[in-house]
Amino acid sequence: NAGVTQTPKFRVLKTGQSMTLLCAQDMNHEYMYWYRQDPGMGLRLIHYSVGEGTTAKGEVPDGYNVSRLKKQNFLLGLESAAPSQTSVYFCASSYSIAASVSETQYFGPGTRLLVL
Amino acid sequence: RKEVEQDPGPFNVPEGATVAFNCTYSNSASQSFFWYRQDCRKEPKLLMSVYSSGNEDGRFTAQLNRASQYISLLIRDSKLSDSATYLCVVNPRPFLNTDKLIFGTGTRLQVFP
Repeated sequence: NAGVTQTPKFRVLKTGQSMTLLCAQDMNHEYMYWYRQDPGMGLRLIHYSVGEGTTAKGEVPDGYNVSRLKKQNFLLGLESAAPSQTSVYFCASSYSIAASVSETQYFGPGTRLLVL
Repeated sequence: RKEVEQDPGPFNVPEGATVAFNCTYSNSASQSFFWYRQDCRKEPKLLMSVYSSGNEDGRFTAQLNRASQYISLLIRDSKLSDSATYLCVVNPRPFLNTDKLIFGTGTRLQVFP
């Protein structure tokens, strides 16, 4: 099992450009999440999905869109990148919430994004 | 007040030392608690869950104090390989009716020879 994978690993964008980050998991997890991690801020949830075809906003959704067309994939889009979106982006997945109170999340290796 | 608060450190300790981290959480109805470990420029990985009765995994011991709303992690006989950032993580459900995890900003540990 590859677990959770993310592409690309690193990207540099100019302000106003768009891009899509891809997350894939091969663990048949129902739930998937996108976080951003900034110094001194901890991990903050951007969007999440509780199943194929469904998405929901997290703590910091502005400027991002997501799609979950297939269970194993969760895409994060930046329509018009801004320097404030410079960050490290992590995707995570977990089993159905109903499975366990103590369920953990499995993280991908991250995507480092620099917006100039 | 932050939902989950940790001392950012860094904690600089010699090999073999015992070190303890504390974490406080604001939502008294929180149900699940975890410690994650994050190495430099890597993803967070689950270190251990924290149970009400306390739990131990080798050199690592986690404790939960619901009355005072804090979680602790004790590392005995520190190794160089323990150097990392330790994230305190809380699942605040059912209060927020969600399974979203709340992450602390992390406590950095540096073990030196």
